[in-house]
Amino acid sequence: GNSVTQMEGPVTLSEEAFLTINCTYTATGYPSLFWYVQYPGEGLQLLLKATKADDKGSNKGFEATYRKETTSFHLEKGSVQVSDSAVYFCALMKGAQKLVFGQGTRLTINP
Amino acid sequence: EAGVAQSPRYKIIEKRQSVAFWCNPISGHATLYWYQQILGQGPKLLIQFQNNGVVDDSQLPKDRFSAERLKGVDSTLKIQPAKLEDSAVYLCASSTPRRDGGRGYTFGSGTRLTVV
Repeated sequence: GNSVTQMEGPVTLSEEAFLTINCTYTATGYPSLFWYVQYPGEGLQLLLKATKADDKGSNKGFEATYRKETTSFHLEKGSVQVSDSAVYFCALMKGAQKLVFGQGTRLTINP
Repeated sequence: EAGVAQSPRYKIIEKRQSVAFWCNPISGHATLYWYQQILGQGPKLLIQFQNNGVVDDSQLPKDRFSAERLKGVDSTLKIQPAKLEDSAVYLCASSTPRRDGGRGYTFGSGTRLTVV
């Protein structure tokens, strides 16, 4: 079946550091890929998405590129801020519209 | 537009008791989902409705969980009787088709259930 694997956390970085959170998926065909973010005490919010191979999703300085050849959708940001501290979920959607999530990566940014 | 409303925000019950959660999706969203998010894990789909019909309930523990969406709008999720392992955040989401062929998905803030 379809599945998503994220790098294990938690991840702790200093402000202005470069961020990469790895995500790989298993699915037949071409799923849509997503990154969701969950800030403390809040609900899941869509951060960015890509719907076909080689698409790049971007939002709030975050980027991720849909790599079909490596079945990956790694999240990157060039300079993180304290306000980026949250839990990040990689997810895929195919066919029946349900989202399949990875286990989440908790990110903490220290000033 | 108003978001997906869920209540209550928090609930603490003893094992073997019953509990119900309520969700009001975004107006006009035909598809409604209930997800279970256990601490340290990603959300897992429990049930998906299209209007008032069930599309997917393959991961719903039907011996203790039930859900309904009367009139294709609000939905309730019930657990009876609860077990310790049901402690989780229960997320409701709704979605609608988009012009680009994707889906606009919105999550509620969730109900945090603690079973003691």
